[in-house]
Amino acid sequence: GNSVTQMEGPVTLSEEAFLTINCTYTATGYPSLFWYVQYPGEGLQLLLKATKADDKGSNKGFEATYRKETTSFHLEKGSVQVSDSAVYFCALSDGTGNQFYFGTGTSLTVIP
Amino acid sequence: KAGVTQTPRYLIKTRGQQVTLSCSPISGHRSVSWYQQTPGQGLQFLFEYFSETQRNKGNFPGRFSGRQFSNSRSEMNVSTLELGDSALYLCASSRDTSNEKLFFGSGTQLSVL
Repeated sequence: GNSVTQMEGPVTLSEEAFLTINCTYTATGYPSLFWYVQYPGEGLQLLLKATKADDKGSNKGFEATYRKETTSFHLEKGSVQVSDSAVYFCALSDGTGNQFYFGTGTSLTVIP
Repeated sequence: KAGVTQTPRYLIKTRGQQVTLSCSPISGHRSVSWYQQTPGQGLQFLFEYFSETQRNKGNFPGRFSGRQFSNSRSEMNVSTLELGDSALYLCASSRDTSNEKLFFGSGTQLSVL
């Protein structure tokens, strides 16, 4: 079956620190991979996506590369800001409509 | 362009009652899907509707049901509420079923006492 595993939080970083949030997946076929972000009191927003192996998704300084050999899609940012404080969700879609499989989320707090 | 609107924002019910949640998708979006979000389980897929037809259903009991209207608005119903149904219920809309991008509402926070 399909599933996503992401690193446990919470994660606390100082401003301008380097961020990595690990995500691995199990899927049948060739899934698309996504990172969504949820700010306090809001719904999830798409942060970036990759639809095939070796694709790199990027947005707002965040990057993630679709690694088929390690079934991973780790999220990285070189220099985090206080405004990046949120919960980050890794997700996959196996192409059967809009049924997404989400990880449990990683809470990030960035302190000045 | 208005985003995905979910009503009500908060609900408090008691065990055994039923509840109906509403979702209005972004104008022009025909796919609506529902997710249950809890601290321990994260987001779990409930079901997806497209053009008034249920396309996919997650692994939830029959107490959870939904429907979609001709204007793409969707409702979700939970009957015979249990304490474990307490969660944030999120609705997401998409233009079609190509899993390109989901737009989420802010959710309905359901508390079952």
